[in-house]
Amino acid sequence: GESVGLHLPTLSVQEGDNSIINCAYSNSASDYFIWYKQESGKGPQFIIDIRSNMDKRQGQRVTVLLNKTVKHLSLQIAATQPGDSAVYFCAEKGAGGTSYGKLTFGQGTILTVHP
Amino acid sequence: NAGVTQTPKFRVLKTGQSMTLLCAQDMNHEYMYWYRQDPGMGLRLIHYSVGEGTTAKGEVPDGYNVSRLKKQNFLLGLESAAPSQTSVYFCASSYRADNQPQHFGDGTRLSIL
Repeated sequence: GESVGLHLPTLSVQEGDNSIINCAYSNSASDYFIWYKQESGKGPQFIIDIRSNMDKRQGQRVTVLLNKTVKHLSLQIAATQPGDSAVYFCAEKGAGGTSYGKLTFGQGTILTVHP
Repeated sequence: NAGVTQTPKFRVLKTGQSMTLLCAQDMNHEYMYWYRQDPGMGLRLIHYSVGEGTTAKGEVPDGYNVSRLKKQNFLLGLESAAPSQTSVYFCASSYRADNQPQHFGDGTRLSIL
């Protein structure tokens, strides 16, 4: 039988469309969140981060939205390009002085952009 | 402009063999981390270090040891490799300040036969 976690959520979009990737996080006490992009054969690459005292942050072509009420994080990519095709991970950091920057990662979402 | 460098990039071991994975960072980061990534799963923390000479266990530490003799280097050791340790291993580093992103290397792909 199939095991939980082997099949990642997928999102397919056309070049030029906007993409929205969602993430549900687990710890209501988390105070810092990051989105990473991972291309095949590479390590995770930092895209954008947001602190818990914010609900929106914008970067170049990317926007992160944080809804602490429902523990939901989303990454919006504007004018998606084929080079955006990758696996996208969200990560959360628990609050507190003993966290030492440790992150908890989601399973990831596969984004495929069709020319 | 190297960032985080991991060596080797690929390795095949037989069950019971030992090896050491090396991670080097040139960003003067205090914190360093070792993760493993298995198909369809997120990254899981093996061990981490908050400074030179210190190490601590993460989520899945069994079967691994680490050392941080120099600030820029973090070594991950497998004393007696098992097939369950077949995985992709990533090293990351970050500043000690609050709410700083971790920066990752490109991984070591390890197969245990």
